[in-house]
Amino acid sequence: ILNVEQSPQSLHVQEGDSTNFTCSFPSSNFYALHWYRWETAKSPEALFVMTLNGDEKKKGRISATLNTKEGYSYLYIKGSQPEDSATYLCASSTNAGNMLTFGGGTRLMVKP
Amino acid sequence: EPEVTQTPSHQVTQMGQEVILRCVPISNHLYFYWYRQILGQKVEFLVSFYNNEISEKSEIFDDQFSVERPDGSNFTLKIRSTKLEDSAMYFCARGGFTDTQYFGPGTRLTVL
Repeated sequence: ILNVEQSPQSLHVQEGDSTNFTCSFPSSNFYALHWYRWETAKSPEALFVMTLNGDEKKKGRISATLNTKEGYSYLYIKGSQPEDSATYLCASSTNAGNMLTFGGGTRLMVKP
Repeated sequence: EPEVTQTPSHQVTQMGQEVILRCVPISNHLYFYWYRQILGQKVEFLVSFYNNEISEKSEIFDDQFSVERPDGSNFTLKIRSTKLEDSAMYFCARGGFTDTQYFGPGTRLTVL
């Protein structure tokens, strides 16, 4: 059974601060790492899918990196804004199938 | 990306009753998924559905659960005899093997 962990569980930052979160996952049989942004009462929004070791992806002020050998991914937010407040979820899949195994999420709160 | 929609947004039912949760409308997609999140816990995979057949299912997806595409468009999850522990947010998703999985906003199921 895959165990995907995220840290920290929650984070309070001031508007303008840059921040990052960690997702750790088993590196054996790894296939893909997904990041989602989830606001209450809305659909989880897909941010990135990464498959290759060393992958870096960027979407506006948000970027992510992937290390498949050591089993971790970082999500970075540059210059946090109040609208970035959400729960950020990572999920891993293996080459055995396409089911996603989720971490517990990092809840980000950005104060104006 | 086209939305994944789910109905109802909230379902309240008595223990032992059958419930049907729906993804509508979805067309031209082959892969569908159901996940759930019990309050305070991680999002968990239930089942994936490919080409009108179950392709993977988790231990949670026992005989009480079933999925189908009754009219080739709607994708449904049926729970035959609900238990208190079935109370959760149920998410439908669409996507491919390594592609992004796009999630709906979820149906909150409350079993009394």
